[in-house]
Amino acid sequence: DAGVIQSPRHEVTEMGQEVTLRCKPISGHNSLFWYRQTMMRGLELLIYFNNNVPIDDSGMPEDRFSAKMPNASFSTLKIQPSEPRDSAVYFCASSTPMGGEQFFGPGTRLTVL
Amino acid sequence: AQKITQTQPGMFVQEKEAVTLDCTYDTSDPSYGLFWYKQPSSGEMIFLIYQGSYDQQNATEGRYSLNFQKARKSANLVISASQLGDSAMYFCAMREGQGGGFKTIFGAGTRLFVKA
Repeated sequence: DAGVIQSPRHEVTEMGQEVTLRCKPISGHNSLFWYRQTMMRGLELLIYFNNNVPIDDSGMPEDRFSAKMPNASFSTLKIQPSEPRDSAVYFCASSTPMGGEQFFGPGTRLTVL
Repeated sequence: AQKITQTQPGMFVQEKEAVTLDCTYDTSDPSYGLFWYKQPSSGEMIFLIYQGSYDQQNATEGRYSLNFQKARKSANLVISASQLGDSAMYFCAMREGQGGGFKTIFGAGTRLFVKA
């Protein structure tokens, strides 16, 4: 059974470019979470969805960040325009309605030059 | 507001010995869940153990146990018989509410070094 799938695994881009990160949650999971991890700030929750609906986006740092979940099997996190301080590892995680733990994807390592 | 505190940035333990990683939390919600995750140097996040606020007994999963002291609002992770492969970053996390679709906050983490 496939776990949470994220793509790309690594992304290097230049400042000002648009970046789109993708996530496919585990089938049957109805909650999806986007996190950002940096050395300075640790693991931060950016936004999460229940049944494809954004519930809490208070962690999204700026208007440059946006996230969508058009269906139960796909979500995107977009940064436009990107800046060097956006460099981080971005994790997607999913969980079941009644479950406890979140299952994390492998992460996308983003480097903005 | 939710708050998770891990006061030990780094810990050393001798192989085969037990180690306790501290975690305290703060919430006013009577219903919550506590988690521990392991992040090895490869970067993936691995779920270790879960404790619900209404669970009467401490959770155990193999060599991992969670020392849940509700009145003190602590949820320490105990790793017995440490192995070299236990060297990693460990995160404590809390979710308010029952079920998977609730906000989860992570602590700053504790880096564990297991010495041969």
